[in-house]
Amino acid sequence: EAQVTQNPRYLITVTGKKLTVTCSQNMNHEYMSWYRQDPGLGLRQIYYSMNVEVTDKGDVPEGYKVSRKEKRNFPLILESPSPNQTSLYFCASSLSPGAYGYTFGSGTRLTVV
Amino acid sequence: RKEVEQDPGPFNVPEGATVAFNCTYSNSASQSFFWYRQDCRKEPKLLMSVYSSGNEDGRFTAQLNRASQYISLLIRDSKLSDSATYLCVVSLGYSSASKIIFGSGTRLSIRP
Repeated sequence: EAQVTQNPRYLITVTGKKLTVTCSQNMNHEYMSWYRQDPGLGLRQIYYSMNVEVTDKGDVPEGYKVSRKEKRNFPLILESPSPNQTSLYFCASSLSPGAYGYTFGSGTRLTVV
Repeated sequence: RKEVEQDPGPFNVPEGATVAFNCTYSNSASQSFFWYRQDCRKEPKLLMSVYSSGNEDGRFTAQLNRASQYISLLIRDSKLSDSATYLCVVSLGYSSASKIIFGSGTRLSIRP
């Protein structure tokens, strides 16, 4: 089954404790992206990657890091999480989102206390 | 002004009704358009692309009006299962480098 797999689904952590949210897709998509979704603000892009070893900032990259060492994986790293990073996070992939749209992962609900 | 604007709703309509909502976009250079459906606390799922000529998929019809810079989604014979938030998405191009902008969504609730 074609899918984007994110883990974990739920995560509660403390301020300052580094964490990684994993994302993997099995569709051989070149484009992958991370979004956060907050009430009233919609989906905002954090980082995206157009191919292996090619990553770029989205609209809200502060406090996040990503890497793309393999085509299928695109982890999101929070080096020092803060409470304002409490949000619902989605990973997405596509051949080209402007042409074909996205396939999203199931989401990760992160709470930073 | 937001780049992509949607009425947040909620639209509360009886089962079987026809409901329509619009999404306006500010950049006249926008090239491609989509509607996504998002159930509560779940991931967005692509519902349909919106073509210049309009397109229909069963009970769903999407239209594009470039002159007035809006897209619309019409749902006929609405079902309880249509209750969800509908996200409008606009892309400034078809390439991977093109900026993608999401609307904040319109919430639809279908009542028995």
